[in-house]
Amino acid sequence: AQSVTQPDIHITVSEGASLELRCNYSYGATPYLFWYVQSPGQGLQLLLKYFSGDTLVQGIKGFEAEFKRSQSSFNLRKPSVHWSDAAEYFCAVGAPSGTYKYIFGTGTRLKVLA
Amino acid sequence: EAQVTQNPRYLITVTGKKLTVTCSQNMNHEYMSWYRQDPGLGLRQIYYSMNVEVTDKGDVPEGYKVSRKEKRNFPLILESPSPNQTSLYFCASNPKTGSSYNEQFFGPGTRLTVL
Repeated sequence: AQSVTQPDIHITVSEGASLELRCNYSYGATPYLFWYVQSPGQGLQLLLKYFSGDTLVQGIKGFEAEFKRSQSSFNLRKPSVHWSDAAEYFCAVGAPSGTYKYIFGTGTRLKVLA
Repeated sequence: EAQVTQNPRYLITVTGKKLTVTCSQNMNHEYMSWYRQDPGLGLRQIYYSMNVEVTDKGDVPEGYKVSRKEKRNFPLILESPSPNQTSLYFCASNPKTGSSYNEQFFGPGTRLTVL
C-alpha cells in the first residue's frame, strides 16, 4: 500500500542553523512528491514539488528538496533557518495512476530557538 | 483574489445533528478534495472529485457524504455526526490539467467539535 513516512514528529533547531526534514515514501513507481508548510492556525501552503527531471528541487522561502529514488526519499532542506520557519511541515505523495488520490505524512513540527 | 473558502470556520454541534460544511473555489479548478487533520495522523483524504458529478472515496470516507453539482462548490455533509468526527477539516482544489499533478490550494480550515 502507498504510504508516506515522516519519522521525526518534532525537530528543534537554533535560528541560523541548517535544517533537514526527512520523508520516505512507499510506492510502486515514482510518484509525484510535495512538501507543504502549515503555519499555526493557517491552511497549507506548497513549498515545492517534484514530478520528474532534476532531482534537486528549489522551492519558496529558501527551501530545497532532493529526490533519491534508491532510498525512496524526498528530504526537505534549508541552509539557514529563520524564526518565521517555525511551523508544521507535511510531505505528500500523489499517485500518477490517474486516481488523483493524495497521501500525506503525519507531519514534522519545527521549533526554532532564538 | 484566487482562493478556496470554507464555512463555517468553527462549529460546535451535538451527536446526530446533520451538518454541512461548504467549500467554494473561484479558480475554475476541476479537482476538489476534503481532508481531515488529526494530531499524530496528519491529513487524511475523505473524498475527492475530479469534475462535476464525479466523486470518489479517499482513505476515510465513512460517515461523510459529498456532492459536486457545480464546478466551484464541493460541500461536505455529515448526516449523523459522532464525537470521533471532531477534527480540523480542509478543502482543497487544483486545476488538474491533463494527467499531471498540480499544486493543491487549501482553504483556511473548519474546526468541528461534536459533543
